[in-house]
Amino acid sequence: SAVISQKPSRDICQRGTSLTIQCQVDSQVTMMFWYRQQPGQSLTLIATANQGSEATYESGFVIDKFPISRPNLTFSTLTVSNMSPEDSSIYLCSGMTATNEKLFFGSGTQLSVL
Amino acid sequence: DAKTTQPPSMDCAEGRAANLPCNHSTISGNEYVYWYRQIHSQGPQYIIHGLKNNETNEMASLIITEDRKSSTLILPHATLRDTAVYYCIVSRTGGFKTIFGAGTRLFVKA
Repeated sequence: SAVISQKPSRDICQRGTSLTIQCQVDSQVTMMFWYRQQPGQSLTLIATANQGSEATYESGFVIDKFPISRPNLTFSTLTVSNMSPEDSSIYLCSGMTATNEKLFFGSGTQLSVL
Repeated sequence: DAKTTQPPSMDCAEGRAANLPCNHSTISGNEYVYWYRQIHSQGPQYIIHGLKNNETNEMASLIITEDRKSSTLILPHATLRDTAVYYCIVSRTGGFKTIFGAGTRLFVKA
């Protein structure tokens, strides 16, 4: 199956700043998704990254806080804007191909906001 | 998407079979049962999925009841490296979003 390279793997940021996380897939994927995993919790879906159009956000997540880009079928970014300590989490990108019918994940970005 | 119910944690002895149950009583006819696992500090990993029939691959077996309201993931010979959180998910295929529940934390003990 495809491989997702996600970076940075971890970062420590100051409150009020923004961080952009990048995901590069080694082959074209139909769907890409962004998840957040707070400490000790399960994964929460943030949004579906749509190629060439605005992302589709889940309840509780808004574009101003988590702008997402997906310029092509192999690349996507998630920005965590105006960060606060509550944004400290692991952020994961994932992809799915139409033929594979299963999700595969990047290794995650561990974000700490001071 | 239908919801699933899993026990929060389970223990298994190394070398023995690990049987992880999942209830999905509201599953729809076009929804599959998927299993993923997440080893500490890693992204989730796909294990197996099925619609009606039992499935087996190099990692595990999936047993789905005839009424499809529950399923069991079987790791035939658990090793210490199988210690992870296992997520049972019901979802349609074809690019639909995947919603994760709380999962089962499996501890494999020597």
